[in-house]
Amino acid sequence: EAGVVQSPRYKIIEKKQPVAFWCNPISGHNTLYWYLQNLGQGPELLIRYENEEAVDDSQLPKDRFSAERLKGVDSTLKIQPAELGDSAVYLCASSLGTAETQYFGPGTRLLVL
Amino acid sequence: QKEVEQDPGPLSVPEGAIVSLNCTYSNSAFQYFMWYRQYSRKGPELLMYTYSSGNKEDGRFTAQVDKSSKYISLFIRDSQPSDSATYLCAMTGGNQFYFGTGTSLTVIP
Repeated sequence: EAGVVQSPRYKIIEKKQPVAFWCNPISGHNTLYWYLQNLGQGPELLIRYENEEAVDDSQLPKDRFSAERLKGVDSTLKIQPAELGDSAVYLCASSLGTAETQYFGPGTRLLVL
Repeated sequence: QKEVEQDPGPLSVPEGAIVSLNCTYSNSAFQYFMWYRQYSRKGPELLMYTYSSGNKEDGRFTAQVDKSSKYISLFIRDSQPSDSATYLCAMTGGNQFYFGTGTSLTVIP
C-alpha cells in the first residue's frame, strides 16, 4: 500500500514569492492534516480536513496561507507571499478518521531566501 | 502549561543500553497514545500505539501508559545505532491531537 505522497521534496524561493505544496493521502483516509515542523520541534498543526471540509484551521495564518482539498482526496497548501520565517518542513498526514493514528508523508523542506 | 511535555534531550547512549523516553500531559481527555520515530530529513513514522493504561510490547520496544499520573514512556532494549533518531510522543482525545517536541537519541556503536 502506498503511503502519503508529498511533492516537491525541496523548494527554495525568494521572499515575497508564492509557493505551493501538494499531498496525496493514503487511499481511504478521510482525514488529512497539514503540519509545520521547525528544526528541533514537534509538528504543529496548520489545518485538518474531514473529507473536503476544513474542520480545524485555527492555527493557519490566513493572511498568507491557504489550503484546499478538492473532492476530499488530494490537498494543496499555498503560501503567498512567502516570508523568511516560513522556512520549515511542511508535513502532510492522513488518518482513517479524527483521533485515529496518523501516517505522515516525507515532508516538503522549504527554504525562503 | 503545554498540553504535552517532552524532554528534548539530546540523549546519547552506548550500543546495547536500555533507553527510556518519557512524556507528561495535562489533558485527561487524551485516550490514545503514540510514539513516532523520525529520522533526519524524513517524516515521522508510527512506532507504537496504545489505548489504555499498561504496557504494550513489540520486539525491543515497550510502550507504557500511566493515566493516573498522566505519564507515558517508551523503552528500547538492546539499543542499536539504527535507533538513532528523534522520538516524538503524541496523544489524542476529544478531537484534539498533540505532539511532544521530540527527544533526540544517538546510540553510539
